Amino acid sequence: DAGVIQSPRHEVTEMGQEVTLRCKPISGHNSLFWYRQTMMRGLELLIYFNNNVPIDDSGMPEDRFSAKMPNASFSTLKIQPSEPRDSAVYFCASSSAGGDQFFGPGTRLTVL
Amino acid sequence: GENVEQHPSTLSVQEGDSAVIKCTYSDSASNYFPWYKQELGKGPQLIIDIRSNVGEKKDQRIAVTLNKTAKHFSLHITETQPEDSAVYFCAASDGANSKLTFGKGITLSVRP
Repeated sequence: DAGVIQSPRHEVTEMGQEVTLRCKPISGHNSLFWYRQTMMRGLELLIYFNNNVPIDDSGMPEDRFSAKMPNASFSTLKIQPSEPRDSAVYFCASSSAGGDQFFGPGTRLTVL
Repeated sequence: GENVEQHPSTLSVQEGDSAVIKCTYSDSASNYFPWYKQELGKGPQLIIDIRSNVGEKKDQRIAVTLNKTAKHFSLHITETQPEDSAVYFCAASDGANSKLTFGKGITLSVRP
């Protein structure tokens, strides 16, 4: 199995631009999680989906952030408009029902 | 909500010595406690987990203990090696498929 796949691995953009991060979970997993990691705040859960349905988005910082999961094998996290304080590493993780969470390699986002 | 605290924030040991990393949690409903290892530039990797129906679990050089009464759990690494140097995160959840609450992480350095 290829594991959780994230793209791009690195993204550099200018303030105000739209950013879209992508995730392909492990085949057969029915839960998907988006996390953000910074030095100051550590690892924060932004949102998670069960069977493609958003269950808890209480960690999404503000309306500039949105996430979708149109099918079991793909999810996006979008930031529009992006701000410098959004600079962080964004991780996607997936799990099967009652199973452990497996993380992807992350996307390092830099907003100038 | 759940609050997970990790102590200490950094730990340095001599190669061959043992390392112990401790975490406390606040929510008595939590019953699943995974540990993740994160190497530089990579996503967190699950290394061991424990559920509330057992007090200890071992896997080669690593072990995890759980004290539900005191609401704390610990990671034990024996015969440490330089490749054990990484950031270690503990987490807690009320179910393996639910949201994980992570500690801030501890940087373990193993001196050759």
